[in-house]
Amino acid sequence: EIVMTQSPATLSVSPGERATLSCRTSQSVSVKLAWYQQKPGQSPRLLIYDASTRATGIPARFSGSGSGTEFTLTFSSVQSEDFAVYYCQQYNKWPLYTFGQGTKLEIK
Amino acid sequence: QVQLVQSGAEVKKPGASVKVSCKASGYTFTNYYMHWVRQAPGQGLEWMGLINPSGGGTDYPRKFQGRVTMSRDTSTSTVYMELSSLRSEDTAVYFCAREVDGSNCFDYWGQGSLVTVSS
Repeated sequence: EIVMTQSPATLSVSPGERATLSCRTSQSVSVKLAWYQQKPGQSPRLLIYDASTRATGIPARFSGSGSGTEFTLTFSSVQSEDFAVYYCQQYNKWPLYTFGQGTKLEIK
Repeated sequence: QVQLVQSGAEVKKPGASVKVSCKASGYTFTNYYMHWVRQAPGQGLEWMGLINPSGGGTDYPRKFQGRVTMSRDTSTSTVYMELSSLRSEDTAVYFCAREVDGSNCFDYWGQGSLVTVSS
């Protein structure tokens, strides 16, 4: 089974700053990786799929990159509505739909 | 617009079963796989399996094989997830999620159904 490791567990940033979240997989997943945002009491929201493709309606300040085992989600300028928990998910290897443990983006 | 509307909260005793529904609208139901994902309180996301609404075929990870059953009713565009032999560790919010066309991630999610297992 592929192990997903997200870092850091918590990232404290000020609005307007640039921020980068990391996701590492224990085996190569090619570019079969997605990022989700989840706010308290809400369902997850798809941000990025296939490592770098923004989902419909996702602002350009969100960008994804990486391939193989190392991936990043970057915010060019964090907005107040971006404070949430972010999960990565791989869908290249069985069990296909493994999630990371999440990174909390909080206000500094 | 695409909507996935799930059934309400349930309280079950250990050893019982629960069946959660997810009614889809706003798209052709049989064209997209549907998945179930759960989230224990304060924890991360865990994939439970998928169903192909067209043919009814299912796929479950080893952890849930023998305990989970996914089904669908094409006449009402509804998928179901039944989990048996419930234990306290099954207390969680259960989400249905539609698979992105051509990519095995999830673009639309239901609002979640809280299942509490308690004696």
